[in-house]
Amino acid sequence: DGGITQSPKYLFRKEGQNVTLSCEQNLNHDAMYWYRQDPGQGLRLIYYSQIVNDFQKGDIAEGYSVSREKKESFPLTVTSAQKNPTAFYLCASRPWDSLMNTEAFFGQGTRLTVV
Amino acid sequence: GDSVTQMEGPVTLSEEAFLTINCTYTATGYPSLFWYVQYPGEGLQLLLKATKADDKGSNKGFEATYRKETTSFHLEKGSVQVSDSAVYFCALAVDSNYQLIWGAGTKLIIKP
Repeated sequence: DGGITQSPKYLFRKEGQNVTLSCEQNLNHDAMYWYRQDPGQGLRLIYYSQIVNDFQKGDIAEGYSVSREKKESFPLTVTSAQKNPTAFYLCASRPWDSLMNTEAFFGQGTRLTVV
Repeated sequence: GDSVTQMEGPVTLSEEAFLTINCTYTATGYPSLFWYVQYPGEGLQLLLKATKADDKGSNKGFEATYRKETTSFHLEKGSVQVSDSAVYFCALAVDSNYQLIWGAGTKLIIKP
């Protein structure tokens, strides 16, 4: 089955630690995205990538970093510089051939909690 | 710039009631429009979409019509169920932008 997989589902971080959230897709999609969702809020774009070895900052990139070494993978690192990282993180992908008509496919999310 | 505006929630209805969640947009050119649904603790799932004016998207009893003249894409369902309780997001896509533009989401609560 094709899809997009995020892991882990729940993640606990101590203050001052970096943590990496995994996102893998086997849909052969070119574009991948990371969003942050706070309780009762909408989606805010952290980073997105159009192609391997290229990525762009979204609206709230400070305190986060990403890499795109393979088409299938787009890991997100939450660094110690992110002062309020507790949130629900969503990864998504879209095919490139027609951005106009194509929807995003989402993973099941990772809930990050600072302890 | 491009934007999406949704009605604020929560929207609370009784089972079997008629549902409308309003969505209006501003966009350069001719966007595609989407409705997504998010159940508690999960990711978003595409509910329906429309790619050109006057198209009607439909799925699971939900419908939305792409109205270019009113720049709207309102979500409707004739008879809601408790299982429809979720957060609904309206979104648009334009050819020139890799990003999807999202509404703030509308929480729907259906009471038995």
